[in-house]
Amino acid sequence: DAKTTQPTSMDCAEGRAANLPCNHSTISGNEYVYWYRQIHSQGPQYIIHGLKNNETNEMASLIITEDRKSSTLILPHATLRDTAVYYCIVRPDYGGSQGNLIFGKGTKLSVKP
Amino acid sequence: GAGVSQSPSNKVTEKGKDVELRCDPISGHTALYWYRQRLGQGLEFLIYFQGNSAPDKSGLPSDRFSAERTGESVSTLTIQRTQQEDSAVYLCASSVQGNRGKLFFGSGTQLSVL
Repeated sequence: DAKTTQPTSMDCAEGRAANLPCNHSTISGNEYVYWYRQIHSQGPQYIIHGLKNNETNEMASLIITEDRKSSTLILPHATLRDTAVYYCIVRPDYGGSQGNLIFGKGTKLSVKP
Repeated sequence: GAGVSQSPSNKVTEKGKDVELRCDPISGHTALYWYRQRLGQGLEFLIYFQGNSAPDKSGLPSDRFSAERTGESVSTLTIQRTQQEDSAVYLCASSVQGNRGKLFFGSGTQLSVL
């Protein structure tokens, strides 16, 4: 699976948009971009995923650059409950030789009042 | 159930004892995963099941670790002769066969080896 690079930490003011970047310059054509988050003392939670088009759901938006070498997860109105470690992962959506998702170190997002 | 269920939520054991950790995946999810997370660290992949077979067990750290799964249902992770370095949160996740990128995680079992 392609590797990803994320900033170690970020701060965001409550109520403002949180924009979390991810670099995946070696992504393959059949690999999707997945985002998960892990709130303290909980298991990781799926947020969103996409291939090349921008995606939006009730939790967040995912913006993928045209060359697919990077993406940004957007939390439009961050709340204190969004404080968590956010993981960007790339892998094939279906099949794939590996069964597991590889979680890197992620970005620690701190939402401040 | 509505989500992935793990039991016990907490387990304290003495060094050298064996422990069994249980995972009940979401009904209908054919893929099941075990991960380990030490305090302040990232997730380490342990083993992946497709049905009751384990095509990828590359993350099991030693032969003291084993896992089995009954059909497309419950899985048990067994750690024999526990060591202090086994202390961690053990997380289980499941997914449907057709979308192995979208995992649903349980809340984990906090294992403390004294």
